Amino acid sequence: GAVVSQHPSWVICKSGTSVKIECRSLDFQATTMFWYRQFPKQSLMLMATSNEGSKATYEQGVEKDKFLINHASLTLSTLTVTSAHPEDSSFYICSARDPDRGEAFFGQGTRLTVV
Amino acid sequence: AQSVTQLDSHVSVSEGTPVLLRCNYSSSYSPSLFWYVQHPNKGLQLLLKYTSAATLVKGINGFEAEFKKSETSFHLTKPSAHMSDAAEYFCVVSQYGNKLVFGAGTILRVKS
Repeated sequence: GAVVSQHPSWVICKSGTSVKIECRSLDFQATTMFWYRQFPKQSLMLMATSNEGSKATYEQGVEKDKFLINHASLTLSTLTVTSAHPEDSSFYICSARDPDRGEAFFGQGTRLTVV
Repeated sequence: AQSVTQLDSHVSVSEGTPVLLRCNYSSSYSPSLFWYVQHPNKGLQLLLKYTSAATLVKGINGFEAEFKKSETSFHLTKPSAHMSDAAEYFCVVSQYGNKLVFGAGTILRVKS
């Protein structure tokens, strides 16, 4: 079964509103989680690295004030898309690495559509 | 810096025939390499990984990949394609800090 759960799986929101996406590691503690974005017919691009108890590390070109990341516990990271616009519509995927299994597990992804 | 090149954006095979998805990597040190599969609107599933042990890596669903350092390649193969294999496949290299760098992806189409 899934070891990383991402919620919601899809969401439609109006322009200007904010959307929160949750990523949970179900059976291991993840000090680090990753957030990716995937445009249609393109590969996954790392947006940011979420660190438990500290600030996230954003990749170049990613607006940290627009994509707020909170990693309040060892099993939960959230990504909030603030003041969403249609160009933010995309598929967002989180991942967490299980240090014991040495493997990164991915959430199911969230399809965000901003209208 | 690490990078991954998937040589084919689309591959089409007939059911029951072999599958070959090509991947070349660039890394300044011994890399960890992965193949992931993504079905439409779904998350990613790990098929297999190479982490400096055996160069021939066997994964799930009959897939395997061979790490060839001299060719900087990590091609994914399967002896006999099944309809359920139709999906997008990503070759991935692990970067320092456990970041994953994804290739552009290869869409596999399986014809009946």
